Amino acid sequence: SQQGEEDPQALSIQEGENATMNCSYKTSINNLQWYRQNSGRGLVHLILIRSNEREKHSGRLRVTLDTSKKSSSLLITASRAADTASYFCAPYNQGGKLIFGQGTELSVKP
Amino acid sequence: NAGVTQTPKFQVLKTGQSMTLQCAQDMNHNSMYWYRQDPGMGLRLIYYSASEGTTDKGEVPNGYNVSRLNKREFSLRLESAAPSQTSVYFCASSDPGQGSGEQYFGPGTRLTVT
Repeated sequence: SQQGEEDPQALSIQEGENATMNCSYKTSINNLQWYRQNSGRGLVHLILIRSNEREKHSGRLRVTLDTSKKSSSLLITASRAADTASYFCAPYNQGGKLIFGQGTELSVKP
Repeated sequence: NAGVTQTPKFQVLKTGQSMTLQCAQDMNHNSMYWYRQDPGMGLRLIYYSASEGTTDKGEVPNGYNVSRLNKREFSLRLESAAPSQTSVYFCASSDPGQGSGEQYFGPGTRLTVT
């Protein structure tokens, strides 16, 4: 199993602040993916970082990956109330299944 | 292009009743998955189908059966519902040929068993 474990479990910030979520995993990976889940909805794929990449950007999202420490972080800059959601990391090994952790519940207060 | 669709959106069952949750995808994906999500928890894999004609157990298969009807459709059946199966059920699909493992999720079915 390549389950990711997110930390912290819950995070509350003010609009405009940055939000950082961390992910640790135990096995070797081909890539690591981050998903967002708005309340009552299905998961939506946010960003993927391959095992040979160290950092990736997409809009206000910045993902880092340290394969030596088996960890990743997701940074959301200049957060907005609409970023309020749960965020899940999912390590992926070719041919394997995604195993989701419990997620980080982010609350952005206006 | 609807992506992944699930029916019904909501369902209330009495203990012992049976029902089938339907899932369909129009992205020509080979792999499909069923997850359940309980309050405050992540998603747990119930069953998956790597390709048409194959199904395999996930982390929590007990009490469920699945059918990969064709490439588009993957159904989940509860033969005798129990209160412990009260949950939100998500279907997802992916294209292994892409190599990334990225999954596309449906909107979920909220099931209550009384």
